[in-house]
Amino acid sequence: QSALTQPPSASGSPGQSVTISCTGTSSDVGYYKYVSWYQQHPGKAPKLLIYDVSKRPSGVPDRFSGSTSGNTASLTVSGLQAEDEADYYCSSYAGSYSYVFGTGTKVTVL
Amino acid sequence: EVQLVQSGAEVKKPGESLRISCKASGYSFITYWIGWVRQMPGKGLECMGIVYPGDSTTRYSPSFQGQVTISADTSINTAYLQWTSLKASDTAMYYCASLGVEVTDAFDFWGQGTMITVSS
Repeated sequence: QSALTQPPSASGSPGQSVTISCTGTSSDVGYYKYVSWYQQHPGKAPKLLIYDVSKRPSGVPDRFSGSTSGNTASLTVSGLQAEDEADYYCSSYAGSYSYVFGTGTKVTVL
Repeated sequence: EVQLVQSGAEVKKPGESLRISCKASGYSFITYWIGWVRQMPGKGLECMGIVYPGDSTTRYSPSFQGQVTISADTSINTAYLQWTSLKASDTAMYYCASLGVEVTDAFDFWGQGTMITVSS
């Protein structure tokens, strides 16, 4: 059960969009449509942004959107704002009541 | 309002035992899985395992099987993470998180974290 692969970093200017990839396998991301995304600011607990690939919990702005294609999931942050600067983690159900997280991506707002 | 409140930071020596806690409120504790997530200093999130308080069923990620014990006490709505012999490599922040209380198959509510430092 290996960690899902994310790029270490991504960046964009305020108002721009940034997309983060999350690559798994046909046993997790590619099989189950249970991909979630989390935002973590320094020194804080993670916060759920996206679940079931593309659904947003109540209170999460629609600037955050998710999708999948094959074994890769993606998170897009549109209209970047300063407060979006954080670490982002994907996660997928991997069967047998197991969950795997991604390696994490640090998003910088230029 | 769903809340998960974790016990405070700990400083322990190698070989010592430890149990940290996560008290849940605002939802039916026995009905939803609750998990523990490790974050080593400067590193990413790792799911250690989950427990179903309703019948104490546990599932461990392979890397953590046999290294820790996850449990729950439904009488006080509290989940636990326990070590019998700590190692320096257990130094990390540990988070508890509820699984699927308001959404499906995602860790939707998180505790504030418990920092464990293991050092001689």
